[in-house]
Amino acid sequence: DVKVTQSSRYLVKRTGEKVFLECVQDMDHENMFWYRQDPGLGLRLIYFSYDVKMKEKGDIPEGYSVSREKKERFSLILESASTNQTSMYLCASKPGQRNSPLHFGNGTRLTVT
Amino acid sequence: AQTVTQSQPEMSVQEAETVTLSCTYDTSESDYYLFWYKQPPSRQMILVIRQEAYKQQNATENRFSVNFQKAAKSFSLKISDSQLGDAAMYFCAYRRDSGYSTLTFGKGTMLLVSP
Repeated sequence: DVKVTQSSRYLVKRTGEKVFLECVQDMDHENMFWYRQDPGLGLRLIYFSYDVKMKEKGDIPEGYSVSREKKERFSLILESASTNQTSMYLCASKPGQRNSPLHFGNGTRLTVT
Repeated sequence: AQTVTQSQPEMSVQEAETVTLSCTYDTSESDYYLFWYKQPPSRQMILVIRQEAYKQQNATENRFSVNFQKAAKSFSLKISDSQLGDAAMYFCAYRRDSGYSTLTFGKGTMLLVSP
């Protein structure tokens, strides 16, 4: 089974802090994604990556950046956390085939105070 | 831009009964993929079922089946013989079949299952 591991299940940070959310997948998937999930808004795509060192903006990239130095790892960075970034963050990966489904991690619930 | 609409924020069903979750989408593409994902409370999101738009036959996975109406741009999920473990948030998602396309999700439907 594919395993997508997010480093933290719960995280509490202060406004202005730099925050790193880490995601690792063990199935050599080419594609990796970061989503944000909020009640009533569903899942919104922040950034995605189709290959090492490659990144593309999703629908809501403002306030975020990403890093993909190795194929298995995709990091989401909040340069200066703000309270409106309090949310559930979901990482996902998939193989390169178009009809392949996403495999999700367990999520990181981030609270910014 | 593609949009996915789930018009039912919450649905309820009794054990052993059948329930249908609605999903409509807006696209000008002819080739695309549709998915239903399930997110149980505090647990990982998993794929329930998927449908390729070029296939006329509706996808089925055990108790889960879809009613895919391409002309109407409708993709509903039917759960038969509902079980307590089916209680979850269900998300409908769309992806067009071209290049580096990404998934567009609906806002979700919370399914409650009562004994």
